[in-house]
Amino acid sequence: EVQLVESGGGLVQPGGSLRLSCAASGFTFSTYWMTWVRQAPGKGLECVANIKQDGSERYYVDSVKGRFTISRDNAKNSLYLQMNSLRAEDTAVYYCARETRGLSHWGQGTMVTVSS
Amino acid sequence: DVVMTQSPLSLPVTLGQAASISCRSSQSLVYSDGNTYLSWFQQRPGQSPRRLIYMVSKRDSGVPDRFTGSGSGTDFTLKISRVEAEDVGVYYCMQGTRWPWTFGQGTKVEIK
Repeated sequence: EVQLVESGGGLVQPGGSLRLSCAASGFTFSTYWMTWVRQAPGKGLECVANIKQDGSERYYVDSVKGRFTISRDNAKNSLYLQMNSLRAEDTAVYYCARETRGLSHWGQGTMVTVSS
Repeated sequence: DVVMTQSPLSLPVTLGQAASISCRSSQSLVYSDGNTYLSWFQQRPGQSPRRLIYMVSKRDSGVPDRFTGSGSGTDFTLKISRVEAEDVGVYYCMQGTRWPWTFGQGTKVEIK
């Protein structure tokens, strides 16, 4: 069974940093593109970043370029999102998702709150 | 970015009746490989999104056959043939053809 478990969320002040992790199991992690998606409270869904199987290609939505970095460790079956210079508008539940002709499997999400 | 527009945004339905959600994209979603990467997701209250349909009309494993996806190019539809109580939630379409992948605003399905 495919499982994706996010962690690392919490309360952080504006301008601060957080590193999110996603532990994958139940499939061969190294053979899939992976994506981070966020959902602000009571709002819709936004794809933030994605990364190729070997990490050689990474893409970001404009609103996080230069502030967020997606990475992965295939030996540890883990996906990461390093978030710097956080803003109030980054407050959201962050989901990791596996890509199979779209976003086929999602984790339960981790909440990030940016507030002073 | 490709803009995805759903309608209606709210859909009250009677149990056992059919429901239909429209999704339109600002650009064609046909990819260079000839496939169209349009998905539909269901998000029940308090849960993560769950994919129901991918590549316009392919149903994910375990999804009831009362859910049907159709469409082409820029115009797509999700139909629920007979709404059940467990279908309450917000439904999103998403395009995976051009990065960044983008979602519709969501359609809230509730029981009358």
